[in-house]
Amino acid sequence: SQELEQSPQSLIVQEGKNLTINCTSSKTLYGLYWYKQKYGEGLIFLMMLQKGGEEKSHEKITAKLDEKKQQSSLHITASQPSHAGIYLCGADFSGNTGKLIFGQGTTLQVKP
Amino acid sequence: GAVVSQHPSWVICKSGTSVKIECRSLDFQATTMFWYRQFPKQSLMLMATSNEGSKATYEQGVEKDKFLINHASLTLSTLTVTSAHPEDSSFYICSARVSGRGNTGELFFGEGSRLTVL
Repeated sequence: SQELEQSPQSLIVQEGKNLTINCTSSKTLYGLYWYKQKYGEGLIFLMMLQKGGEEKSHEKITAKLDEKKQQSSLHITASQPSHAGIYLCGADFSGNTGKLIFGQGTTLQVKP
Repeated sequence: GAVVSQHPSWVICKSGTSVKIECRSLDFQATTMFWYRQFPKQSLMLMATSNEGSKATYEQGVEKDKFLINHASLTLSTLTVTSAHPEDSSFYICSARVSGRGNTGELFFGEGSRLTVL
């Protein structure tokens, strides 16, 4: 069974629209990481959340971690073509070791 | 943010040969690095934890004799795919965490290395 579920698997939005990607864990996690990846390239670090209820923002991207530390969401406001890519959430279940289990990824396309 | 570099970016080899991939932390020290593999259109799967000065810890199902990991210094971990076969063709990617002073817990990934075994 998958320990970390991401939804949706893929998303196509019109430029300027808002969108949300969800990441749900089957158990409490120690840390939740969000990355962006272009196909065949490395991962770009977006944000890391560790505390229940924590919320972080960078430019037009906001990530939240729920109080129970089992669900996180990534919200993009006023999407742009540059936001297109694969978004991955990675969870540290092993006590802040840095060992991550990843969700399946969400492929985002932004139509101009 | 911190920089992690991998080399080579891509490599093509013949079946039966061994290939070495390097993962370097360029501007920080990393006592621990992680190796992942990614199949086309799939997510990353953790292969092993690379520990500086000691043996790597492998995830269940990963053959340690097949994927040799060496972490000889605080800035370099290497993954050697021994006697490579076409099924080993994949995208291999490493990550590292800043250790010691100023550890923010952030994990940085390399650019990845695409291995194609003919």
